[in-house]
Amino acid sequence: AQSVAQPEDQVNVAEGNPLTVKCTYSVSGNPYLFWYVQYPNRGLQFLLKYITGDNLVKGSYGFEAEFNKSQTSFHLKKPSALVSDSALYFCAVRDPTWDMRFGAGTRLTVKP
Amino acid sequence: DGGITQSPKYLFRKEGQNVTLSCEQNLNHDAMYWYRQDPGQGLRLIYYSQIVNDFQKGDIAEGYSVSREKKESFPLTVTSAQKNPTAFYLCASSISRTSGGEQFFGPGTRLTVL
Repeated sequence: AQSVAQPEDQVNVAEGNPLTVKCTYSVSGNPYLFWYVQYPNRGLQFLLKYITGDNLVKGSYGFEAEFNKSQTSFHLKKPSALVSDSALYFCAVRDPTWDMRFGAGTRLTVKP
Repeated sequence: DGGITQSPKYLFRKEGQNVTLSCEQNLNHDAMYWYRQDPGQGLRLIYYSQIVNDFQKGDIAEGYSVSREKKESFPLTVTSAQKNPTAFYLCASSISRTSGGEQFFGPGTRLTVL
C-alpha cells in the first residue's frame, strides 16, 4: 500500500536553531512528494514538492527538503527556525492512482 | 485575487439533519477534492472530481454526497447517514488530477454535531 509516515508527532526547536521534520514514504514507481503547512483553523499551504531532478528542493519561507531514494525519505529542513514557523506540517505523496496520501502531521513548536 | 473559498467557516448540525458545505474556486482548475481532517489522522479523501458532471468516491465517501455542475463549484453534503460528522472539512483543487502538481486548499469548514 502507498503511504507516508511522519515518525514524530511533535518537534520542539529553539529559535535560531536548525529544524528538521521527518517523512518517509512507501510508493511503487517514482514518487511525487509534497510538504504542506497548516496554521490553526486554516487550510493547508503548499511549501514545496519533489517530482524529479535535484534531490534538494527549495520552497517557500526558507524551507527546503532533501529527497533520499535509498532511505525513502523526504525530510523538511530550515537552517534557522522562527517562532512564526510554529505550525502543523504534513508530508504527502501521490500514489499510482494519483490520489494524494497524507501523513498524520508533525506539530512544530519553535520557542523564543 | 485567485483562490479557493469555503463557507461557512463554522457550521452546527443537529442529529438527523443534512448540511451542505460550499466550495468555490476561481483558479480555472479542472480537479477538485474534499478531505476530512480529524486530530492525529491527517487528511482523508471523501470525493474528487476531475471534470464537470463527473465525480468519484474517495476512501471515506459513505454518508456524503457531492455535485459538480459548474467548474468553479464543488459542494459537499453531509447526510444524516454519516455517523460521526464532527470534523474539519477541507476543499482543494489542482490543475488536473493527473498532472502531478500540488493541490491548493481552501480555509476549511469546521462542522460540529450538537
